[in-house]
Amino acid sequence: ETGVTQTPRHLVMGMTNKKSLKCEQHLGHNAMYWYKQSAKKPLELMFVYNFKEQTENNSVPSRFSPECPNSSHLFLHLHTLQPEDSALYLCASSQAAGALSGANVLTFGAGSRLTVL
Amino acid sequence: GENVEQHPSTLSVQEGDSAVIKCTYSDSASNYFPWYKQELGKRPQLIIDIRSNVGEKKDQRIAVTLNKTAKHFSLHITETQPEDSAVYFCAASIGGSYIPTFGRGTSLIVHP
Repeated sequence: ETGVTQTPRHLVMGMTNKKSLKCEQHLGHNAMYWYKQSAKKPLELMFVYNFKEQTENNSVPSRFSPECPNSSHLFLHLHTLQPEDSALYLCASSQAAGALSGANVLTFGAGSRLTVL
Repeated sequence: GENVEQHPSTLSVQEGDSAVIKCTYSDSASNYFPWYKQELGKRPQLIIDIRSNVGEKKDQRIAVTLNKTAKHFSLHITETQPEDSAVYFCAASIGGSYIPTFGRGTSLIVHP
């Protein structure tokens, strides 16, 4: 499958649960991103990995923990979340982030809809 | 960090009219300004982008303008069609990183 694939598409979890969101891309890209999309603050940047190195952490609470084992896969580990963390979590990838990229076209996944009870 | 303000939050036009969405940014080092369109229930997709060394760019019915001095940029859609109805997000890069920070979005509704 080509493009950016996110699993699961829907997730319901309690505040004490531990779960993970998965993202994979088959585009040969070197940068991957997590964005949070909610009604209050659409498309908030959370984390950026460029060539497997984390380059941005946008003041995200430690209950969200990213992992990027290789350029094709990105995880978001979730634990002790709050109801206000309910949102659509979008993964994206691009050729590369950084000053040499020239332009930076993001390809988004379909998102994982998270509900925290 | 970068702060992007986008207006209006909702824009309603008649088919054939023009639509203009305006954004401002805070980081004078920002060098890349993409626009994404998100149709209902779908993922955001890039429709046009502009770099800081260019003042204007056009692609068929869509054009973007950039005023670096004032730190604002705009999206212009001419001859709007119902299929243009969507949420449009502007973005400005975090400094020279080309990593986009998005505005809050504009819901464009084109009435047939």
